[in-house]
Amino acid sequence: GDSVTQMEGPVTLSEEAFLTINCTYTATGYPSLFWYVQYPGEGLQLLLKATKADDKGSNKGFEATYRKETTSFHLEKGSVQVSDSAVYFCALGGGSNYKLTFGKGTLLTVNP
Amino acid sequence: KAGVTQTPRYLIKTRGQQVTLSCSPISGHRSVSWYQQTPGQGLQFLFEYFSETQRNKGNFPGRFSGRQFSNSRSEMNVSTLELGDSALYLCASSLASGLVVAKNIQYFGAGTRLSVL
Repeated sequence: GDSVTQMEGPVTLSEEAFLTINCTYTATGYPSLFWYVQYPGEGLQLLLKATKADDKGSNKGFEATYRKETTSFHLEKGSVQVSDSAVYFCALGGGSNYKLTFGKGTLLTVNP
Repeated sequence: KAGVTQTPRYLIKTRGQQVTLSCSPISGHRSVSWYQQTPGQGLQFLFEYFSETQRNKGNFPGRFSGRQFSNSRSEMNVSTLELGDSALYLCASSLASGLVVAKNIQYFGAGTRLSVL
């Protein structure tokens, strides 16, 4: 079945550092890929998405590229801020998939 | 446009009781999905409703059930609560469901945190 593997962290960075959170997936067909973010005490917010191979999703300085050859969708940001502290979830779904399949989540803490 | 609204935000129940959680989707959205989030298992799909019909179900026991009303609002019910049912229950809505990706992007509510004592 479908699965998502992401680095579990926690990841602790200083403000303005470069961020990478790795995500790889296993899926049949051609899923869409997503990054969701969960701030403390809140639900999930869609951060970015990519619907086909080589697509790049971007939002709020975050980027991820859908790499079919390496089955990866790594999240990157060039300069993190304290306000980026949250849990980040990689997920796949869409197409013939009626549900989202999530990774375990990565806790990011950014210190001033 | 209002987002997905879940009520209540917090619930405390005891073992053996039953509980009902409510979800109001984004206006115009017809698909509602439910997920359970726990520290050990992460986010797991419970079920999905579209046009008042349960279309898909995850691997949860029959104690977990749901329904959807004609206005797309959905409720989830858990009977005979167990300690392991303590979790954050998240509801997500989307325009539709199926092959058109743009219409099945899921938007989540803030969740209902259920504690079973």
